[in-house]
Amino acid sequence: DAEITQSPRHKITETGRQVTLACHQTWNHNNMFWYRQDLGHGLRLIHYSYGVQDTNKGEVSDGYSVSRSNTEDLPLTLESAASSQTSVYFCASSVSPEGEQYFGPGTRLTVT
Amino acid sequence: DQQVKQNSPSLSVQEGRISILNCDYTNSMFDYFLWYKKYPAEGPTFLISISSIKDKNEDGRFTVFLNKSAKHLSLHIVPSQPGDSAVYFCAASARFAWNTPLVFGKGTRLSVIA
Repeated sequence: DAEITQSPRHKITETGRQVTLACHQTWNHNNMFWYRQDLGHGLRLIHYSYGVQDTNKGEVSDGYSVSRSNTEDLPLTLESAASSQTSVYFCASSVSPEGEQYFGPGTRLTVT
Repeated sequence: DQQVKQNSPSLSVQEGRISILNCDYTNSMFDYFLWYKKYPAEGPTFLISISSIKDKNEDGRFTVFLNKSAKHLSLHIVPSQPGDSAVYFCAASARFAWNTPLVFGKGTRLSVIA
């Protein structure tokens, strides 16, 4: 069965460290998305990609970057982790850019 | 500025009763609306959707109503069950606005009390 996975599921890191969260999907979807979920803010879009070599900034992109070298993966990098980036991160993919998205199980990141 | 608003952060309903979750939007270009359900420690999962050419879509216990003139949609769950306790996100898209991703509301936490 096709699926979308995220790793690690839990991560604790220190302020200033570089952190990369992995997202891998076997749906063969061109469109992939990264969100963070925080209490009182719901799901906020960080970055998204509509295909290989394509990346776009979302609502809360500062301090984050992504790269898309193949269809299956969209890793999210925190260049220099800050305590404000403590959150739960979700990756998603979709058939069409504006259509239904399939979400991964999430990564809980704690920055100390 | 929020384009999709879920003004009730939480809702409690007795088991067997109707749950009504509301969502308002401001962008008149939105023409496709979705509801997602999220359990703790899991990713959101798609629940039901509606196109702007319809005013109602039903799937089992779940019905979504769309009022385009009021820019309002609602999700009805009848009858509510304890397993429906989750956070529900409303989302909207403008399918004819090229390459615009979904816009999500902040979510409503539903608690169904046995």
